[in-house]
Amino acid sequence: DTAVSQTPKYLVTQMGNDKSIKCEQNLGHDTMYWYKQDSKKFLKIMFSYNNKELIINETVPNRFSPKSPDKAHLNLHINSLELGDSAVYFCASSWGGLRGAPLKETQYFGPGTRLLVL
Amino acid sequence: KNEVEQSPQNLTAQEGEFITINCSYSVGISALHWLQQHPGGGIVSLFMLSSGKKKHGRLIATINIQEKHSSLHITASHPRDSAVYICAVAGYYGGSQGNLIFGKGTKLSVKP
Repeated sequence: DTAVSQTPKYLVTQMGNDKSIKCEQNLGHDTMYWYKQDSKKFLKIMFSYNNKELIINETVPNRFSPKSPDKAHLNLHINSLELGDSAVYFCASSWGGLRGAPLKETQYFGPGTRLLVL
Repeated sequence: KNEVEQSPQNLTAQEGEFITINCSYSVGISALHWLQQHPGGGIVSLFMLSSGKKKHGRLIATINIQEKHSSLHITASHPRDSAVYICAVAGYYGGSQGNLIFGKGTKLSVKP
């Protein structure tokens, strides 16, 4: 059974379109994350949610909107896609991402979604 | 300057060699993570450290909090160890969650 799953694995789309990436974890974790890995393979946090509450929102354009319907799911919707959005997006989950609490738990990563904007 | 620096950026080794990858950071941290990214792209967490040393099979990770430095060692390296190894620190901020800050990774290639 896959612990953290993402769909789709590959996404090719035109500039200006709106797309969503879905993430689900079956580990019972209370915190989920979205990371972006750019063309230079550098990972950066985008968002984190703890029990459906937004905890981290790094300087990400508001075209990106995360949605957490329950603590097992964290979806990422992107409006008006731009060329610079092309990257690999990783979802992850862990315990203990409470606001103000130090993060001292192992994170489990999904397989990544490769987004290419043409 | 990045808050998390790794060295070397690229490393080529012969099978059987002892390998060391270094990570230095400049922020206060609650924990340091070592991750492995396979050539296929998947990311696996290898270790999480807040002090001392951890060992798992042929992998050893150490951290020196005072010096803000960590090392990942691979003993008896094997071609299947070829991957990108990423150091990430969990920052320890007062008002917000300590999110992970990543190094740029060390690309390891182990030749048979």
